[in-house]
Amino acid sequence: DVQLVESGGGLVQPGGSLRLSCAASGFTFSTYWMSWVRQAPGKGLEWVANVKEDGSVTYHSDAVKGRFTISRDNAKNSLYLHMNSLRADDTAVYYCARERPAAACAFEYWGQGTPVTVSS
Amino acid sequence: DIQMTQSPSSLSASVGDRVTITCQASQDISKYLNWYQQKPGKAPSLLIYDASNLETGVPSRFSGSGSGTDFTFTISSLQPEDVATYYCQQYGTFGPGTTVDIK
Repeated sequence: DVQLVESGGGLVQPGGSLRLSCAASGFTFSTYWMSWVRQAPGKGLEWVANVKEDGSVTYHSDAVKGRFTISRDNAKNSLYLHMNSLRADDTAVYYCARERPAAACAFEYWGQGTPVTVSS
Repeated sequence: DIQMTQSPSSLSASVGDRVTITCQASQDISKYLNWYQQKPGKAPSLLIYDASNLETGVPSRFSGSGSGTDFTFTISSLQPEDVATYYCQQYGTFGPGTTVDIK
């Protein structure tokens, strides 16, 4: 079975940094685009970033561009989100998601999410 | 940037009712529109991809249609387990969501 397990969330002060991880299993990780999607408390879903199968291409939303970096390690079946210069409005549950092949950016599998709280 | 709007923002219907949610894109997005269900405290799940394709394992009472700028998501016969928020999505943009509950 496909499993995505996020970790690394927690409480961080404004301006701080955090690295989220997503451990993938049950599928050939290196053959799928992967994304991070977040959801602020009581709010809707917001796509954050995605990365090509081999890590050679990445896209980031305008809201996080220059502060967050998505990356992956296919040898470790892991996806990462490096978050710097964190702000209060980055507070959210962060989900990793696998993109459905041949369907433009459809997120077919999701992890359970890891919460990030940015507060002093 | 493409904007996505959804209507209604919430609805209440009886078990067995037909429920329809619309999603409108600010420009032509062809068929590239997906629909998700999110139950409280859970991760979203993909129901429909590319406007009208039912994801594997999703009950057939769920359906989607449309192309260009106007899309429709339908639950043909609302069930108690369908209480959730539904989101449309095109690439990096999600709609604001529609909350569905039972009357």
